[in-house]
Amino acid sequence: DAGVIQSPRHEVTEMGQEVTLRCKPISGHNSLFWYRQTMMRGLELLIYFNNNVPIDDSGMPEDRFSAKMPNASFSTLKIQPSEPRDSAVYFCASSWEGYGSRNTEAFFGQGTRLTVV
Amino acid sequence: GEDVEQSLFLSVREGDSSVINCTYTDSSSTYLYWYKQEPGAGLQLLTYIFSNMDMKQDQRLTVLLNKKDKHLSLRIADTQTGDSAIYFCAEIPPRRSQGNLIFGKGTKLSVKP
Repeated sequence: DAGVIQSPRHEVTEMGQEVTLRCKPISGHNSLFWYRQTMMRGLELLIYFNNNVPIDDSGMPEDRFSAKMPNASFSTLKIQPSEPRDSAVYFCASSWEGYGSRNTEAFFGQGTRLTVV
Repeated sequence: GEDVEQSLFLSVREGDSSVINCTYTDSSSTYLYWYKQEPGAGLQLLTYIFSNMDMKQDQRLTVLLNKKDKHLSLRIADTQTGDSAIYFCAEIPPRRSQGNLIFGKGTKLSVKP
């Protein structure tokens, strides 16, 4: 398996534009996570899907952010409209999680570095 | 608050031992994790420890857990230049959803030849 695949690796966009980040999780994994990494706040969980259903989106900053997982092999994180403060590295991670198990390794993609100018 | 605390920088000489320390937030967290991030890459799970253990050893890595003080450490023996990276401590407190890791801000380890 090629691991978690994210695209694009780098994105530069102008303020106000729509940005869509993409993620392909590892085949067979049933959980998918979107994280954001900034110098100031470190790594923060934005949203977590289990079996394609959003379980916890309490980390999504505001209504400008939305995430979908239409099937087990694809997820998107969309920012509309984008703002300079959204500049960060966005990571997607996936894992297989059984009920009640917290001993699961989340495999991370290489991230998308977003710059909003 | 929900802050996992780590020192931001550590510099060691090649061949020395590195010790990265972390203070976590919830004494009832069941699993505690160490992740490694190399430049331009995602995070890679290095090791984890179950809360009923106080030590775990895995080749050059030793994890020590002090539940009373909520203190976790990662020791890397015979540190190599390839160990240069950012190391993140993480936990999942029981009240959080599964997979909702709380990460520290990371300790940047620099290994000098």
